Amino acid sequence: GQQVMQIPQYQHVQEGEDFTTYCNSSTTLSNIQWYKQRPGGHPVFLIQLVKSGEVKKQKRLTFQFGEAKKNSSLHITATQTTDVGTYFCAGPSGGSNYKLTFGKGTLLTVNP
Amino acid sequence: DTAVSQTPKYLVTQMGNDKSIKCEQNLGHDTMYWYKQDSKKFLKIMFSYNNKELIINETVPNRFSPKSPDKAHLNLHINSLELGDSAVYFCASSQEGGPAKLFFGEGSRLTVL
Repeated sequence: GQQVMQIPQYQHVQEGEDFTTYCNSSTTLSNIQWYKQRPGGHPVFLIQLVKSGEVKKQKRLTFQFGEAKKNSSLHITATQTTDVGTYFCAGPSGGSNYKLTFGKGTLLTVNP
Repeated sequence: DTAVSQTPKYLVTQMGNDKSIKCEQNLGHDTMYWYKQDSKKFLKIMFSYNNKELIINETVPNRFSPKSPDKAHLNLHINSLELGDSAVYFCASSQEGGPAKLFFGEGSRLTVL
């Protein structure tokens, strides 16, 4: 079955440093989504990428979808303590838009 | 107003018991889901209903039985609870049509002793 791999598993940074998490799929994706889960919270949708090579920005967050639509990245510029949480990528699997396969997530901790 | 609400938020019970978790969404979405998040934070889909019809049924023990009385509600009943069932169970919903952007509930933390 389809696998979605995410690296790194953990990342600890000093406040103000940049952070990047990478997502790779074993199959071509029709779209990819990113979610953020704060400690003790629930996953919250951040963004969806659909087009090959697409780049979207949300303030300090930059999301990219690879040209082959098999990989994606999330980059945070100048991290803040509010960025702490686990970032998940997710892509549809089994030919269904309703069945999302999640990566294992990257836990970001920020030292103030 | 909470968009996707689950009850209870915490559940502690003994092995062998039966328990239920309820979920309601007020977003007008047609599709609802149950996800399980284990201690390593891995999120895995269990079930999905679209307009009360089961559309996704992953490899889940048949001790788990979802029920959707209407498209705004999706419940999860678990029989004969086992230690390995301890996890956080998230309900989610999405609109029909297009990639499923999920709205998650706050989760129900189940601890089986």
